[in-house]
Amino acid sequence: GAVVSQHPSRVICKSGTSVKIECRSLDFQATTMFWYRQFPKQSLMLMATSNEGSKATYEQGVEKDKFLINHASLTLSTLTVTSAHPEDSSFYICSATRTGSHTDTQYFGPGTRLTVL
Amino acid sequence: GENVGLHLPTLSVQEGDNSIINCAYSNSASDYFIWYKQESGKGPQFIIDIRSNMDKRQGQRVTVLLNKTVKHLSLQIAATQPGDSAVYFCAETVSGGYQKVTFGTGTKLQVIP
Repeated sequence: GAVVSQHPSRVICKSGTSVKIECRSLDFQATTMFWYRQFPKQSLMLMATSNEGSKATYEQGVEKDKFLINHASLTLSTLTVTSAHPEDSSFYICSATRTGSHTDTQYFGPGTRLTVL
Repeated sequence: GENVGLHLPTLSVQEGDNSIINCAYSNSASDYFIWYKQESGKGPQFIIDIRSNMDKRQGQRVTVLLNKTVKHLSLQIAATQPGDSAVYFCAETVSGGYQKVTFGTGTKLQVIP
């Protein structure tokens, strides 16, 4: 199978601090990873597309300076929420597509619950 | 903008019965559709997918039907079990080049023992 992990699974931080979330593809290489945000009882909203070795592509309305994405290797992408505020509290989920795959199936991580006090 | 929507936000089904979850999509360019299952506090789990050149695809206890004429997608779960209780999302995308996936609003499936 294709396994995607996220770390940490839960994080609580004070307002104004920065939080880094890691997304790893454990048994495959992923040129492209995606970051989603999900508020309670709502659907997943794509925040950005993370490409290995290049700048991320952000969706409309997502501040690139607030949500820093680094895709440094074919198995790791990080999302840093800078100067977090309570309204950033959400469930952050990443997904990855297998490099060279002939399908478009995205494999999702288990998510990271961020709570900003 | 384009969106994928669901008709029923909550579906309650007796254990052992069949479940049908519906989804409408609006992007006529979408040619690849996926159903995901999401349990509370977890990430989405791939269930089954279908491409636009097909009308039906079957998996283990699940069947996806695609009606391109009316832009409608459905997920059928046979002999629903308590472990099937979750939120189900349909998603659409244009295949190739790692196109972004657009998720529907989700349907919560409650299985009554």
